[in-house]
Amino acid sequence: DSGVTQTPKHLITATGQRVTLRCSPRSGDLSVYWYQQSLDQGLQFLIQYYNGEERAKGNILERFSAQQFPDLHSELNLSSLELGDSALYFCASSVVPIVRSYNEQFFGPGTRLTVL
Amino acid sequence: GDSVTQMEGPVTLSEEAFLTINCTYTATGYPSLFWYVQYPGEGLQLLLKATKADDKGSNKGFEATYRKETTSFHLEKGSVQVSDSAVYFCALLNRDDKIIFGKGTRLHILP
Repeated sequence: DSGVTQTPKHLITATGQRVTLRCSPRSGDLSVYWYQQSLDQGLQFLIQYYNGEERAKGNILERFSAQQFPDLHSELNLSSLELGDSALYFCASSVVPIVRSYNEQFFGPGTRLTVL
Repeated sequence: GDSVTQMEGPVTLSEEAFLTINCTYTATGYPSLFWYVQYPGEGLQLLLKATKADDKGSNKGFEATYRKETTSFHLEKGSVQVSDSAVYFCALLNRDDKIIFGKGTRLHILP
């Protein structure tokens, strides 16, 4: 158990809908990262937050957004869903933002999103 | 852009066999390199890391050496166990502090 929790574990929805994925970081971790894992694209970094502020953006679509709240939990919002958005979405946390000396990220178990 | 290429799987071996999973990278500057492991139904776990050339990362019998001249970070284990069956990801941390993952290699170990 990494200490990072994600809800829900599974989510099934229809095209055009909007969903919210939730992540609670490990106690004491200030940074949260979101990743998308799909068969064709592999594991891709989406976005990073540090202490409530957006710090880095990866391959995140404009239909997707995220935020980190004062209690440090984070939510990833996916809207106008398409079939291709079906994937496993991981959240990870670290004490501080990853820097050259590297602070280890701890991954949650993921949310599996299926868009029908 | 920066990228990681790792051998495609699945890789199937018998227990106690020698394992090599190849990983090469393209990056500007001197990235840090990592291997992550993902067991069925779980998130990724850091297996080992190396932050500079010629560093050797090791953990749980797995090893990988940062080879700058060949831009490689191959994962090796001398004697695999059934419990090593998982998906293994090679990754780099680039100078923009972004982690880039390879596509993963699924490993099956037969008893």
